[in-house]
Amino acid sequence: NAGVTQTPKFQVLKTGQSMTLQCAQDMNHEYMSWYRQDPGMGLRLIHYSVGAGITDQGEVPNGYNVSRSTTEDFPLRLLSAAPSQTSVYFCASSITGDEQFFGPGTRLTVL
Amino acid sequence: GEDVEQSLFLSVREGDSSVINCTYTDSSSTYLYWYKQEPGAGLQLLTYIFSNMDMKQDQRLTVLLNKKDKHLSLRIADTQTGDSAIYFCAESMILTGGGNKLTFGTGTQLKVEL
Repeated sequence: NAGVTQTPKFQVLKTGQSMTLQCAQDMNHEYMSWYRQDPGMGLRLIHYSVGAGITDQGEVPNGYNVSRSTTEDFPLRLLSAAPSQTSVYFCASSITGDEQFFGPGTRLTVL
Repeated sequence: GEDVEQSLFLSVREGDSSVINCTYTDSSSTYLYWYKQEPGAGLQLLTYIFSNMDMKQDQRLTVLLNKKDKHLSLRIADTQTGDSAIYFCAESMILTGGGNKLTFGTGTQLKVEL
């Protein structure tokens, strides 16, 4: 099993550009989530999904969209990137949302 | 409300024990977790404890839970240089829409010196 994979590893965007961060898991987990990690703030939940076709907002959803058309994939879209979205983004998956398995992260810089 | 707090830094000598502390505020938490993050990597689950337990031991790791004080600690015995990392505690709560949500602390940077 590859576990949780994320692409790209690094990305630089200009303010106003859009992009999609990819996340995939091969463990048949129903629960998937996106977090952002900022210095001194731990991890904050952006969006999560409890199964295909179901998504919901976390603590910091503004500026981000998600969809869950398959169990395996949970992409995160930035519609119009802002410098405040410079962060490290982690995707995680879980059977129920408890024991979560994390991907390696995407380091995003918005200029 | 949900708030998980940790001290930011801890420095220990190789071979000593490390104790990383965490306080949380939501008494309805079902599980409490410790994750380890090495530089440039994602979070790796180290251990967890169910909220009705007081202690859990797993090789060099001991987790203590004081539910009355909402205090969680992680003790690492015989700390090695490979233990240098950021350690996050997290509490799990049931979401009204189904599933669970993890709330993470700010992380404690553990530095192991020779």
